[in-house]
Amino acid sequence: AQTVTQSQPEMSVQEAETVTLSCTYDTSENNYYLFWYKQPPSRQMILVIRQEAYKQQNATENRFSVNFQKAAKSFSLKISDSQLGDTAMYFCAFMKPSGTYKYIFGTGTRLKVLA
Amino acid sequence: GAVVSQHPSWVICKSGTSVKIECRSLDFQATTMFWYRQFPKQSLMLMATSNEGSKATYEQGVEKDKFLINHASLTLSTLTVTSAHPEDSSFYICSARDWATAGYEQYFGPGTRLTVT
Repeated sequence: AQTVTQSQPEMSVQEAETVTLSCTYDTSENNYYLFWYKQPPSRQMILVIRQEAYKQQNATENRFSVNFQKAAKSFSLKISDSQLGDTAMYFCAFMKPSGTYKYIFGTGTRLKVLA
Repeated sequence: GAVVSQHPSWVICKSGTSVKIECRSLDFQATTMFWYRQFPKQSLMLMATSNEGSKATYEQGVEKDKFLINHASLTLSTLTVTSAHPEDSSFYICSARDWATAGYEQYFGPGTRLTVT
């Protein structure tokens, strides 16, 4: 069974600084997808970034980028130029593209951006 | 695009009554919908996966007779909490996959806060 681990329950960063959130996972699959979701105080889940395991290139979306290390089973999220609106819970998720296509979520990292 | 709505956003019910939560995909057809439960400051726990026109698949430990899921159409799934008790109080979130794009991303609803008194 797949597992996803987020070892940092809480983090804080100064506005405009860079922060990296860690995520590791365990799977025997070769083809899979990884996601980072943001859950602000409104509790609406928002997709931040997605990575396909077959792609070697790390995904980027504006200020958000990932460091995907397939062999190490690591998928960290880097937020550059942090903004107050980035304050939220961040969840890492694993999905195998077959069967039910369900997500396996990590326990989350609470990020606070300080003014 | 890819908007998922939930209704109601907040419901309070008395112990022993049943409550229904609706999840709708507004601008796409959802072959699969997922129901999650989230306790304060915790992650999302998958309760069940529902496919249009077939029975839901429940995760281990989830009581299927307490949490009834119906996926009657490609745009609507409902979760009914039967004979609710205070321990069922939680935040319930649904998500949906877009059939047309066969995409792997799940689109999430805004959630429903259930309080059982």
